Amino acid sequence: GENVEQHPSTLSVQEGDSAVIKCTYSDSASNYFPWYKQELGKGPQLIIDIRSNVGEKKDQRIAVTLNKTAKHFSLHITETQPEDSAVYFCAARKTSYDKVIFGPGTSLSVIP
Amino acid sequence: DSGVTQTPKHLITATGQRVTLRCSPRSGDLSVYWYQQSLDQGLQFLIHYYNGEERAKGNILERFSAQQFPDLHSELNLSSLELGDSALYFCASSVEGGVYEQYFGPGTRLTVT
Repeated sequence: GENVEQHPSTLSVQEGDSAVIKCTYSDSASNYFPWYKQELGKGPQLIIDIRSNVGEKKDQRIAVTLNKTAKHFSLHITETQPEDSAVYFCAARKTSYDKVIFGPGTSLSVIP
Repeated sequence: DSGVTQTPKHLITATGQRVTLRCSPRSGDLSVYWYQQSLDQGLQFLIHYYNGEERAKGNILERFSAQQFPDLHSELNLSSLELGDSALYFCASSVEGGVYEQYFGPGTRLTVT
């Protein structure tokens, strides 16, 4: 069935370093790939997304890359700050009305 | 604040009982999605409603049902509750018609004892 894998499951970085989280998806028809940040006790918050007709998207310190051939997409956070500490989820979706498949999450800790 | 509201925030109930979770989408959003988040299963998509109609179903148990009302708020009904149903339940909303972004509510924490 449809599946999204995410690695690593935990990631610890020093403040100011970069963090990279990688995801792979199984359904080649997927065409929308959002990333969510979830802080303790809160709902997931959309931080960036990418559609299948784009290879890379950047928003300040956050960037996402997509390789449709390999069915990989990655989240890059540069100049990490303690407030970046949270659980990050990648997801994949086929159409506006199709279900969203989430990865299992990556717990990111930024050490001051 | 995403603009999506969920009530109640916490719910404690016993096995075999039935509960109703409520979600109000962001103003203007026609789609509502329900998700279950447990420690061992991660975020699992349950069901999607668009303007009152069911659009997609995920891993939703037969004991669970949902509906979206004319004012676009949605309710998730969980019946014959089991201990394993204890989880966080999130709803998310989005504006459809080509726009994909989903905005999540704060969640309802359900504890079944």
